[in-house]
Amino acid sequence: DGGITQSPKYLFRKEGQNVTLSCEQNLNHDAMYWYRQDPGQGLRLIYYSQIVNDFQKGDIAEGYSVSREKKESFPLTVTSAQKNPTAFYLCASSTRGGSLYEQYFGPGTRLTVT
Amino acid sequence: QKEVEQNSGPLSVPEGAIASLNCTYSDRGSQSFFWYRQYSGKSPELIMSIYSNGDKEDGRFTAQLNKASQYVSLLIRDSQPSDSATYLCAPNDYKLSFGAGTTVTVRA
Repeated sequence: DGGITQSPKYLFRKEGQNVTLSCEQNLNHDAMYWYRQDPGQGLRLIYYSQIVNDFQKGDIAEGYSVSREKKESFPLTVTSAQKNPTAFYLCASSTRGGSLYEQYFGPGTRLTVT
Repeated sequence: QKEVEQNSGPLSVPEGAIASLNCTYSDRGSQSFFWYRQYSGKSPELIMSIYSNGDKEDGRFTAQLNKASQYVSLLIRDSQPSDSATYLCAPNDYKLSFGAGTTVTVRA
């Protein structure tokens, strides 16, 4: 079954702790993305990677870090520097090249920091 | 950044009616668009892609793209309670810029 998995579904952390969210895909997609969604709001891009060992900041990268060591994996670390980390985090992937960038999303991780 | 604006919701329609959602965009270079549906608490799912001017139909969904007027719309015919969700549009780009979405509620 091809798809994108994110784990865990719910995550609780204390303020001041770093936390890493997992994202794995077996769609053989080159590009992967991380979004954040706050209640009643749209999606905001945190980081994206179009190829292994390369990634770029999105619109709200401050307080976050990523790595892309394998094509299948794009973990996101929410650091203690992120002032308001409680949110719904969505990972997506798409093919690269050609003219279409249809993104497919994982089920998301809901992070609560207290 | 490609700016996208969607008609403000929420949009409430009776079961069986047509729901009409609009999206305008600022980048004249945008050639194609995606519509995503997001149920409450879930992740977005791609429901329609439209690549050229005109209409594209898929079941009860019709997407319309008008490049001259820089808008794209989504019509949901014979609306069902299961269509109650937030609908997001995004221009085709390696870095998708989503609109805030329009929330649709279908009343039984």
